[in-house]
Amino acid sequence: AQKVTQAQTEISVVEKEDVTLDCVYETRDTTYYLFWYKQPPSGELVFLIRRNSFDEQNEISGRYSWNFQKSTSSFNFTITASQVVDSAVYFCALSEGGDDKIIFGKGTRLHILP
Amino acid sequence: GAGVSQTPSNKVTEKGKYVELRCDPISGHTALYWYRQSLGQGPEFLIYFQGTGAADDSGLPNDRFFAVRPEGSVSTLKIQRTERGDSAVYLCASSLMGQGSPLNTEAFFGQGTRLTVV
Repeated sequence: AQKVTQAQTEISVVEKEDVTLDCVYETRDTTYYLFWYKQPPSGELVFLIRRNSFDEQNEISGRYSWNFQKSTSSFNFTITASQVVDSAVYFCALSEGGDDKIIFGKGTRLHILP
Repeated sequence: GAGVSQTPSNKVTEKGKYVELRCDPISGHTALYWYRQSLGQGPEFLIYFQGTGAADDSGLPNDRFFAVRPEGSVSTLKIQRTERGDSAVYLCASSLMGQGSPLNTEAFFGQGTRLTVV
């Protein structure tokens, strides 16, 4: 069975600090896709990244970076030099190859304090 | 439209009533998803359409829930005999292809319909 665990329910950091959001997943498939979505107070889910299981290269996009480690089944997300606008709920998610539904974790609520 | 549109944005209904929630996906997107998000939880998969057909309805909680997409574009989620436990935000998403396809990129979500059953 596929499962996504985000152990951090809520995190608060002061603006400009770096913060890492943890994500651990479970799947029996060798082909799968991992995602991160951001949900600001407006409620709309905003896509951040999609990574397939065969690509373990870390990715950086501006202040955002992702660390994918198959050995520990983790796909962690780091925000560098956080800003107040980064405050949101962040969801990690998993989709198994050939299966189109996305399974979401429970989310981490991130508060960036000015 | 430019994005996924869901109507109404809010719906309050009495226990036992029937409701319909509408989703207008991005034009040209063949894949359409319905999710339900309860307070403090992540979105929970309900059903996935590829074109007009429901390719995976394993997430529908019971037979009170039904969804259609007759022309492969707009979809309607229908809930019969609503219960207070059905209160949640219902999210719709669309993508060019199913998420399991290596050619696909991302699913775009609408802002959701907040359903409150009183």
